[in-house]
Amino acid sequence: SQKIEQNSEALNIQEGKTATLTCNYTNYSPAYLQWYRQDPGRGPVFLLLIRENEKEKRKERLKVTFDTTLKQSLFHITASQPADSATYLCALSSNSGYALNFGKGTSLLVTP
Amino acid sequence: EAQVTQNPRYLITVTGKKLTVTCSQNMNHEYMSWYRQDPGLGLRQIYYSMNVEVTDKGDVPEGYKVSRKEKRNFPLILESPSPNQTSLYFCASSLAPGDTEAFFGQGTRLTVV
Repeated sequence: SQKIEQNSEALNIQEGKTATLTCNYTNYSPAYLQWYRQDPGRGPVFLLLIRENEKEKRKERLKVTFDTTLKQSLFHITASQPADSATYLCALSSNSGYALNFGKGTSLLVTP
Repeated sequence: EAQVTQNPRYLITVTGKKLTVTCSQNMNHEYMSWYRQDPGLGLRQIYYSMNVEVTDKGDVPEGYKVSRKEKRNFPLILESPSPNQTSLYFCASSLAPGDTEAFFGQGTRLTVV
């Protein structure tokens, strides 16, 4: 069955450092991969989308990579700030499917 | 302002009492979906709709119904709620299911006692 795996353990980093979050998938051929931010009790908010033929995407302090050979996406936040503390979700969708399937998310805590 | 609006935000109900959670979007999106989120299980899709009168099951559809009579509205119906449906529910909409961003509502926290 399709699986989307994100680190279940929280990631704690110091302000100013780069946070790197991982999303691995199996039994899946995604055409699109998205990253969302979710704050406690609130709906996910879209951050970035990357397509299968793209290797890397950037938006301000955010960078996402997509390696279809390794079946992995990396999500980077550079110069992290305490305000970046949240749970980050990756989501995959295939060309033939109608669903956006989510990983369970990784909690990021940025301390001053 | 582009938004997805869910109501109510919080609901406590008793087992077996039918309820409806409403969802409305103002972006003219074709695709809408419902998710539930539970600790340790993440976001799981309940139902989705590709357009008016077109709906289909997601990963966890048992115990739920939906309808899509108008493009902007996609209500979630629990005909006979049970305690295992206690969860945080999110409605989402997008132009398409994968290659465009999804907009989420603010969530409905449902407790069934």
